[in-house]
Amino acid sequence: AQTVTQSQPEMSVQEAETVTLSCTYDTSESDYYLFWYKQPPSRQMILVIRQEAYKQQNATENRFSVNFQKAAKSFSLKISDSQLGDAAMYFCAYRSAENRDDKIIFGKGTRLHILP
Amino acid sequence: DSGVTQTPKHLITATGQRVTLRCSPRSGDLSVYWYQQSLDQGLQFLIQYYNGEERAKGNILERFSAQQFPDLHSELNLSSLELGDSALYFCASSPHVGGSYNEQFFGPGTRLTVL
Repeated sequence: AQTVTQSQPEMSVQEAETVTLSCTYDTSESDYYLFWYKQPPSRQMILVIRQEAYKQQNATENRFSVNFQKAAKSFSLKISDSQLGDAAMYFCAYRSAENRDDKIIFGKGTRLHILP
Repeated sequence: DSGVTQTPKHLITATGQRVTLRCSPRSGDLSVYWYQQSLDQGLQFLIQYYNGEERAKGNILERFSAQQFPDLHSELNLSSLELGDSALYFCASSPHVGGSYNEQFFGPGTRLTVL
């Protein structure tokens, strides 16, 4: 079974600084997708960024980028120029591309605080 | 706004009772998913429906059941409720099944409190 581990329950960063959230996963599959979701205080789940495992190039979305290390099964999220609106719980997530289902497996989350 | 709607937003009930949570997917989406978010278990996949048919089951208790109707809305039925069923229940929808761009859009959730 696949697992997703986020070892940092909480992190803090100064506004305008850069922060990196860590994530490791375990799978025997070779084809899969990885995601970072943001859950602000409103509780809405928002997709931040997506990475296909077959792509070597790291995904970027504006101030958000990932460092995908397939051999190490590592998938970290870097937030540049942190803003107050980035304060939220961030979930790393996995979805198989080989299974019949589309279930997403989530990590336990990292709560990110932005210090003004 | 993701386009996925869930009702009710909040639900407070007693142990042993039965409740129904409702989800309307985004227009055109054929897949519906249910997830449970609790303090103990985190975010867990419960069940997936595709075009009216059950496609995948996760950690869904036997006391829980779901269905997707011909108009594609879905309901999650929770019965014989226990204190531990208190959680935020999310519905998500996606256009189809599989593929890298089959993004799941999450609804705002239903907060269930069992007293």
